[in-house]
Amino acid sequence: EAGVTQFPSHSVIEKGQTVTLRCDPISGHDNLYWYRRVMGKEIKFLLHFVKESKQDESGMPNNRFLAERTGGTYSTLKVQPAELEDSGVYFCASSSSGGLGWNIQYFGAGTRLSVL
Amino acid sequence: QKEVEQNSGPLSVPEGAIASLNCTYSDRVSQSFFWYRQYSGKSPELIMSIYSNGDKEDGRFTAQLNKASQYVSLLIRDSQPSDSATYLCAVNGGQDDKIIFGKGTRLHILP
Repeated sequence: EAGVTQFPSHSVIEKGQTVTLRCDPISGHDNLYWYRRVMGKEIKFLLHFVKESKQDESGMPNNRFLAERTGGTYSTLKVQPAELEDSGVYFCASSSSGGLGWNIQYFGAGTRLSVL
Repeated sequence: QKEVEQNSGPLSVPEGAIASLNCTYSDRVSQSFFWYRQYSGKSPELIMSIYSNGDKEDGRFTAQLNKASQYVSLLIRDSQPSDSATYLCAVNGGQDDKIIFGKGTRLHILP
């Protein structure tokens, strides 16, 4: 079974440009989370989807960030326009609802975003 | 502000010895506690979860939880060079809740 996959693995863009990150969760996982780690800091929560609905977006830094999960499968995180402080590693995680291991979040390898 | 505190290390341990990693958390209502291992450039990988006070053992790993002291630890017995990684302590408030991470402790096992 495939794990959580993220694309691209690394993106280098200039300030002011737009970047879209993609996450494919583990098949059948209703919960999808976005996290971010900026240099020297801990991994921090951005938002949580349950299927296609945003359950918690309290961690989104500002309105330059837009997350979608149309159809409740894969998710995208768009940053427009990108700023220097947006650089970091963006992780996606997914978990199932109910059953064994109901709140274990499985992480992807992350997308390293560099804004120059 | 909910926080998870860890010593950033690096923690150097001789091969075959016991590595002890510690973590404290600020939110008393936290219900689930996790240790993730992360190799450089890779995804955080769950190695232990613990939900009640006491010890939980899985192979060479033992997680310890003390909710009164708001303290979580991870012991790695018979440390191997392949255990060299960053270990992330994490907590959440319950089912499907977001995870609060510590900054991680870098562990280096000396051959």
